[in-house]
Formats: sequence, structure tokens, C-alpha cells
Amino acid sequence: GAVVSQHPSWVICKSGTSVKIECRSLDFQATTMFWYRQFPKQSLMLMATSNEGSKATYEQGVEKDKFLINHASLTLSTLTVTSAHPEDSSFYICSARETGQGIEQYFGPGTRLTVT
Amino acid sequence: DAKTTQPTSMDCAEGRAANLPCNHSTISGNEYVYWYRQIHSQGPQYIIHGLKNNETNEMASLIITEDRKSSTLILPHATLRDTAVYYCIVKWRSGTASKLTFGTGTRLQVTL
Repeated sequence: GAVVSQHPSWVICKSGTSVKIECRSLDFQATTMFWYRQFPKQSLMLMATSNEGSKATYEQGVEKDKFLINHASLTLSTLTVTSAHPEDSSFYICSARETGQGIEQYFGPGTRLTVT
Repeated sequence: DAKTTQPTSMDCAEGRAANLPCNHSTISGNEYVYWYRQIHSQGPQYIIHGLKNNETNEMASLIITEDRKSSTLILPHATLRDTAVYYCIVKWRSGTASKLTFGTGTRLQVTL
């Protein structure tokens, strides 16, 4: 149980284009999902907290207009990197917390984004 | 949330117990100790958590000192697949805006 998937697992895009990453909770409902970013040899950095049916809460220093988050259902959150640039190349990881089941988070496998 | 301090790296021979320490001297009474690990290029994996008492599950044991200022994660029989970065995180368990703050963790290398 408690499986979180991400799609795609890796993506290469050209500078200036937008990329959408999906995060799904496969066997549970998740009112809250989280998006992290991880640069090589660094730790995970929380980007934003996504709540179903409401606006995401972004961490300080994260541009909300560049990283668009949509959490339209209890099993799906999406992160769109708009006008991507090479410095946005990173490992993006989502996590989900099962509704009403404490605060343990279950992580997805991550999406590696490379912007050329 | 309380900060944690972990060694940067550790080595362990396969089959031996891996003991990963974590200091959290500023932990408050209602904060839990969580352990996650991240195998290279994968998402973090939940291992175990505890408040005061020692905890054990199929993956590991968590030993928390009586004053709760430090803890140790024990992998009883480490295998090569346990090579990963291990993160010790201290945080409140209640509340809707629960955020995990990852530090630098301990890079555990299990060797033959």
C-alpha cells in the first residue's frame, strides 16, 4: 500500500518550453502533496505544499509563477515548470500524505528534468 | 522544528549491524524522530519513527535516549542494498501543515 507514482520518470526539454510533471497516489487519497527539488549531491529542498482544491503554499524563494502547481483531485497533483531554463535542471520529487492517517509522507520515485 | 546533526558518512560491512547516530538536543516534548533513507536517484523511503520509546519494525530499530536528545537507527544485518543516504528528521506529528525538512543526512556505504 501507500504507493506514489510520478510521470515522466525523466524528461529532456529545450530552454523556453514548459514541462508538466504528474504525481499520483495510487492506492490512497491524499489531501496534501508536497513537491521537492534536489540538485546533484545536495539534499531535498521543499518547494511547495499542495492542497486539494486550494492554492499551493510555496516556500520562500520559490517562484510561484514559474512552478505552477495544480491539485485538482485527491489522487493527482501536477507541477508545471514554465519557460524552463538549464538552471531548472534537477530531480523533482513529490510526496503524498494519506488523508486522515497521520503525517507520514510517501514519496514518489522522482522525475529527472534536463533542460538543454 | 528541532535541528539534527548526523555524521556525513559511515561504512559498514555486509551482515553487520549498522548504527547511525543522530543528535537532536533541542527537541521538544511533542516532537517525533523520523528516519528516511534515499537510495541513489530514487525518492526517499520511510523507515521508522518514534517519540520516547524504542521502536522496531521489519526494516530497523530506533533507539531514543531517555533525555531524547539523541537517537540511533539500527539496521541489524546490513546488506549492499542498504547503501543510501539516511536522514534523521525531528518534527511535530500533529498539524495539517506537516513539512519534512531534510538535512544533509548520513551516507552509509555497505561493503563486502
